[in-house]
Amino acid sequence: GEDVEQSLFLSVREGDSSVINCTYTDSSSTYLYWYKQEPGAGLQLLTYIFSNMDMKQDQRLTVLLNKKDKHLSLRIADTQTGDSAIYFCAESNPSGSARQLTFGSGTQLTVLP
Amino acid sequence: DTGVSQDPRHKITKRGQNVTFRCDPISEHNRLYWYRQTLGQGPEFLTYFQNEAQLEKSRLLSDRFSAERPKGSFSTLEIQRTEQGDSAMYLCASRAGLSTDTQYFGPGTRLTVL
Repeated sequence: GEDVEQSLFLSVREGDSSVINCTYTDSSSTYLYWYKQEPGAGLQLLTYIFSNMDMKQDQRLTVLLNKKDKHLSLRIADTQTGDSAIYFCAESNPSGSARQLTFGSGTQLTVLP
Repeated sequence: DTGVSQDPRHKITKRGQNVTFRCDPISEHNRLYWYRQTLGQGPEFLTYFQNEAQLEKSRLLSDRFSAERPKGSFSTLEIQRTEQGDSAMYLCASRAGLSTDTQYFGPGTRLTVL
């Protein structure tokens, strides 16, 4: 079965680093994603990592993948107030043609001035 | 702008009415998805199209829901005899071909059933 779990809330001070964690259960997942959602808006793709990678860096974003523990994290360096949003971890279902995404419940990131 | 677009952005309806939403995917993306997102939750998969063919449907898609993609471009999602439990954000996403799983989402349609 598929289940993606995230902690619900995270607060950080502006300028600090944020680390958002996610665990997943489907070891056959090929891609894992991070999306950002601002109030009343759709989902913005932030980054993704292929399952044969351990780390991916993209400007202020660093994704770490521990396949053994089925743990994924997103680190945001120098967090800004504009980073306040809900962050979703998602895995793609490799079976079947749809490859639909299974999402966690999201982590509400609050950046304090 | 060549992103995914959805119309309307907001819809308020009374219980028992029918509603229809439209999604225009990114040009030349032949794969299209509908998801539903309720408050405080992540999106949940509803259905998937490859070109005009509806290839997968979630058990969440009751018989009151129907989706079409008649020409393999835009898609519509209709909900008949709406219930208060249908209140949610309906998100559309599209992706390109077999070489990537990456899905790009539209802004969503917020449905409120009174």
